[in-house]
Amino acid sequence: DQQVKQNSPSLSVQEGRISILNCDYTNSMFDYFLWYKKYPAEGPTFLISISSIKDKNEDGRFTVFLNKSAKHLSLHIVPSQPGDSAVYFCAASALNSWGKLQFGAGTQVVVTP
Amino acid sequence: DAGVIQSPRHEVTEMGQEVTLRCKPISGHNSLFWYRQTMMRGLELLIYFNNNVPIDDSGMPEDRFSAKMPNASFSTLKIQPSEPRDSAVYFCASSSQGAAFFGQGTRLTVV
Repeated sequence: DQQVKQNSPSLSVQEGRISILNCDYTNSMFDYFLWYKKYPAEGPTFLISISSIKDKNEDGRFTVFLNKSAKHLSLHIVPSQPGDSAVYFCAASALNSWGKLQFGAGTQVVVTP
Repeated sequence: DAGVIQSPRHEVTEMGQEVTLRCKPISGHNSLFWYRQTMMRGLELLIYFNNNVPIDDSGMPEDRFSAKMPNASFSTLKIQPSEPRDSAVYFCASSSQGAAFFGQGTRLTVV
């Protein structure tokens, strides 16, 4: 039962443009959401998070938007850079099972010159 | 801080052998997680500890898998006996609150 879904397995974007990654979830108990970035042969690296009391969180080039009613979140990267080419994972957890992260399948982002 | 340290980085073993994966969490973090990544199932949580106590091991696939955390700076994940379907990348992660920080993983191949 996949509770966190990333329906786009891949995304190609030109350098300098905006990358938009999407994530949907089904469990209404989730109240904390995270994005991780992963390079080959490395562990996932934490990027940005958002709690359910907010609808937007920004950190430099990265912004996460949360739409609780739609059970949807997105990650915007602007401007995209070649070093952003990686797999991006969406993850979620619930307060009553804090730490138990459910991950999406990931989206492979390729930033082209 | 050196981050979460896992060893070995790669492990190749024969079916039936015992495998032990090791993890040193980030100092000061009180939660530790073991994840497994496979092509079929993606990243899945196997077990997590809070203050060295196992909180949820519902993700541990079978009795062949066991995990321990004897102190705040060390954890092991053991597979005995190992099987080819256990081949995967195993990640350890730790956190104090909020985001979990991952190690570089151990790529396990069981032949």
